[in-house]
Amino acid sequence: DTGVSQNPRHKITKRGQNVTFRCDPISEHNRLYWYRQTLGQGPEFLTYFQNEAQLEKSRLLSDRFSAERPKGSFSTLEIQRTEQGDSAMYLCASSKGEIQETQYFGPGTRLLVL
Amino acid sequence: GEDVEQSLFLSVREGDSSVINCTYTDSSSTYLYWYKQEPGAGLQLLTYIFSNMDMKQDQRLTVLLNKKDKHLSLRIADTQTGDSAIYFCAESWYAGNNRKLIWGLGTSLAVNP
Repeated sequence: DTGVSQNPRHKITKRGQNVTFRCDPISEHNRLYWYRQTLGQGPEFLTYFQNEAQLEKSRLLSDRFSAERPKGSFSTLEIQRTEQGDSAMYLCASSKGEIQETQYFGPGTRLLVL
Repeated sequence: GEDVEQSLFLSVREGDSSVINCTYTDSSSTYLYWYKQEPGAGLQLLTYIFSNMDMKQDQRLTVLLNKKDKHLSLRIADTQTGDSAIYFCAESWYAGNNRKLIWGLGTSLAVNP
């Protein structure tokens, strides 16, 4: 199966620590998206890439958040100095970048900040 | 503005049909999507419909689109306990090179045996 994969699936960290998540998109997809989802909510858009270029960042993405996609393939999302409010499911999706913008999601990384 | 609204809960008996409704605001949306999310899992694409279509059927799923009223529905025939999940409606949004999906809060479907 060559779907979207994310690692790790779960992460527990202490407040103030840095964490990094990885997303591997479907191989021929040139767009990659990061979302955050909290309990009872829909996905909140964080940022997206077309190839290696980061085209949009949400206002939700504070200075503590940074995302990269250096070679236009996998992407990393880093959260520095984590806070309890960062606890959420972080979802990655990829798409072909055509007009018909179907996004395919990975299983998510669930973060718990203690 | 961009907004997608869904009712939060739906409860049906096994074997009945489920109808999940969604309203959206952006009349320029080209595609509308239904995703399914099971507890603790990622989002699974169920189906999508192009805005020039009124209806799309895929096995037990039927999507109806009323573009005039900006209303989208998902009908699940012969609902099974395995259909219990949260169902998200999403509309496509474009502004120049920026593209994203605008999401509803999800409808939690409970299927009772």
